Amino acid sequence: DAEITQSPRHKITETGRQVTLACHQTWNHNNMFWYRQDLGHGLRLIHYSYGVQDTNKGEVSDGYSVSRSNTEDLPLTLESAASSQTSVYFCASSENPNQPQHFGDGTRLSIL
Amino acid sequence: QKEVEQDPGPLSVPEGAIVSLNCTYSNSAFQYFMWYRQYSRKGPELLMYTYSSGNKEDGRFTAQVDKSSKYISLFIRDSQPSDSATYLCAKANDYKLSFGAGTTVTVRA
Repeated sequence: DAEITQSPRHKITETGRQVTLACHQTWNHNNMFWYRQDLGHGLRLIHYSYGVQDTNKGEVSDGYSVSRSNTEDLPLTLESAASSQTSVYFCASSENPNQPQHFGDGTRLSIL
Repeated sequence: QKEVEQDPGPLSVPEGAIVSLNCTYSNSAFQYFMWYRQYSRKGPELLMYTYSSGNKEDGRFTAQVDKSSKYISLFIRDSQPSDSATYLCAKANDYKLSFGAGTTVTVRA
C-alpha cells in the first residue's frame, strides 16, 4: 500500500542547530506539503511543492526551507532552530492540490 | 480573518449521542470540502470529502454543506468511544487546503 513516511518520529535538539526532517511518499504524487500543528492554531502551512524543482512559501515559512529533487521526497530544514519552532510537524501529499491530502504520522520536535 | 473557522471544543458526549461539528468559511472559490479525523499522536486521516451543497452520508457519518451561508457540518450518529478524536474541517483555497483549528471530541462509555 502507498504511504507517507516521516522520520524521525521524535527529536530533541538545541537552539541554533540545523535540523532536517524527512518526508518520503510512495503515492507518486506531484504535490507535497509541510505543516506544523500547535494547540489553538490547527495545521499551518510552512512550505509546499507542486513538482520536482518547485517550492513555495506558506503562511509560516520564516526559518524553514525545503528542496524537491525527486517526486518522492520533500525534506524540511530548520536553518537555525529556535524554541518557537517546537511543534509537531506533518508532511502530506495529494494528486490534485485542491483535493484531499494524505498525511504522515508526524515528527514531534522539541528545541531546548 | 482566517479562511476556515471551526467551533472550539472540547466536546464530551455519552455513548450513543449525536455529535455535531461545525465550521464556516469565507472564500467562495474552490468549493471542495473535507473532514479529517486525528487520533492522538497520529496524522489526520480523511473522513469525508464533498464538493456539493446538501448532505453526504457514509455509515454513521454525514457531511453537510450550505454554500449560501458558507457553513459546513459533520454529524456522527450513535457515537462510540472509538470516535474519540480531534476532527478538523478543511477547504480548498487557491490550490492548497485551509484547515480549521480542530475540535476534540470525547465519547464517554
